[in-house]
Amino acid sequence: GAGVSQSPRYKVAKRGQDVALRCDPISGHVSLFWYQQALGQGPEFLTYFQNEAQLDKSGLPSDRFFAERPEGSVSTLKIQRTQQEDSAVYLCASSLGPRTNEKLFFGSGTQLSVL
Amino acid sequence: AQSVTQLGSHVSVSEGALVLLRCNYSSSVPPYLFWYVQYPNQGLQLLLKYTSAATLVKGINGFEAEFKKSETSFHLTKPSAHMSDAAEYFCAVSPFGNEKLTFGTGTRLTIIP
Repeated sequence: GAGVSQSPRYKVAKRGQDVALRCDPISGHVSLFWYQQALGQGPEFLTYFQNEAQLDKSGLPSDRFFAERPEGSVSTLKIQRTQQEDSAVYLCASSLGPRTNEKLFFGSGTQLSVL
Repeated sequence: AQSVTQLGSHVSVSEGALVLLRCNYSSSVPPYLFWYVQYPNQGLQLLLKYTSAATLVKGINGFEAEFKKSETSFHLTKPSAHMSDAAEYFCAVSPFGNEKLTFGTGTRLTIIP
C-alpha cells in the first residue's frame, strides 16, 4: 500500500473486553513499531519487531498487552481485559531497514476508548 | 535515560512571522534528535532529524533546527509561518536512531491570519 494502514480507526470497548488492533505496514518494511499516545501526551514506545522477531517489548505496560507479527508483515496488538487507563491512540510505524537511519512512517492510529 | 522537554504546549504566531518551537533534551550519550509534525487525523510525519553530521539541519516545508550541545537544545524554526503549518509538533530523542523514540508532550502551533 501507499502508507501504513491501521484498523479499526476507532474502537469502543467495555471495560473487561478484549480488543485487537491491526497494523499493515508498508510492503517490504522490515521494522515495525507500536506506540501508545494518551490524550495530550506524546507517543510512548510499546514494542519493536524486526521481521517476525519481537526484539523489544519493554514498553508494554502490563501482561494484558500482547503483540505479534507472525509472518513479518501484518502486526496485531491485542489488549486483554481492557481497563479505562488503556484509552489512547495506538500508533503503528514501519521502516524499510533493520537499523537506525531509515525513515519512519507512521499510520493514522487506532483511537481506543474503554468505557 | 533519554528525555525531551518541549516548552510551551501552545504557540500562536501571525502568518508570515517567525516560528520558534523549543525543545531541550537530556541524554547520557550522543543523541539522535527528531522533529515530527502531526496534522489532524493523520499520522506523524518526519520534519527533520539530527544524526551528528551537521549542527544545522534543514527539513521539509522550510523548517530547520539547530543542535546546540552547550544548551542541550534542538529548537525548530521557520522564517515565515504559513497557514498550512498549523499542526502539533513533537520533538523526540533516541540513542539508537529510529529505535525506541522518546517523544516530548508536543506543541500545538496556531497560525493567526
